[in-house]
Amino acid sequence: QKEVEQDPGPLSVPEGAIVSLNCTYSNSAFQYFMWYRQYSRKGPELLMYTYSSGNKEDGRFTAQVDKSSKYISLFIRDSQPSDSATYLCAMRWGGGSQGNLIFGKGTKLSVKP
Amino acid sequence: NAGVMQNPRHLVRRRGQEARLRCSPMKGHSHVYWYRQLPEEGLKFMVYLQKENIIDESGMPKERFSAEFPKEGPSILRIQQVVRGDSAAYFCASSRQGASTDTQYFGPGTRLTVL
Repeated sequence: QKEVEQDPGPLSVPEGAIVSLNCTYSNSAFQYFMWYRQYSRKGPELLMYTYSSGNKEDGRFTAQVDKSSKYISLFIRDSQPSDSATYLCAMRWGGGSQGNLIFGKGTKLSVKP
Repeated sequence: NAGVMQNPRHLVRRRGQEARLRCSPMKGHSHVYWYRQLPEEGLKFMVYLQKENIIDESGMPKERFSAEFPKEGPSILRIQQVVRGDSAAYFCASSRQGASTDTQYFGPGTRLTVL
């Protein structure tokens, strides 16, 4: 079982739709959870950062973490064609000097006008 | 306020040659991380460095790969005697501190093609 599982898609939705992206993980030691957006042939860009369980909202984006189920989600409201990109979930352990992020494979999203 | 800079953006090497990838972290950042992204794969951690120190190299292949972050100048990821399987996008990220709460900011990547 991989540490982080993410459906690669592709996911195609019409403009204005609500998009739901998800990751599951196996390591209960993960404490910090992130979502990155990556446009084609570009570097990942941090969208959302959450610690432990709960919700976080930023504009059209909402991140949810459910540690009991080892499941994280990213919701995009009123999706736009400019949201078309690959979305990567990432997570890391808490404490110590563990610097590295563990990434999912990414979900490719296409928002059609 | 420049972000993380990587060069070259594209690098073509023949099998057996050496590849050197450079990363300049964001201003004020002293922690650098290297990741590799193979086609259709997620990013995989390779190495974590501070100035003049390798903190964690658990993701580095045992042979041919090395990394450094000198006191002055950029961080360098060096791949000796490249093989076709090394073809990938290599991303560098930097953070201000190495704490778990610290955000990692990524550069645009170097796309290595091995002929």
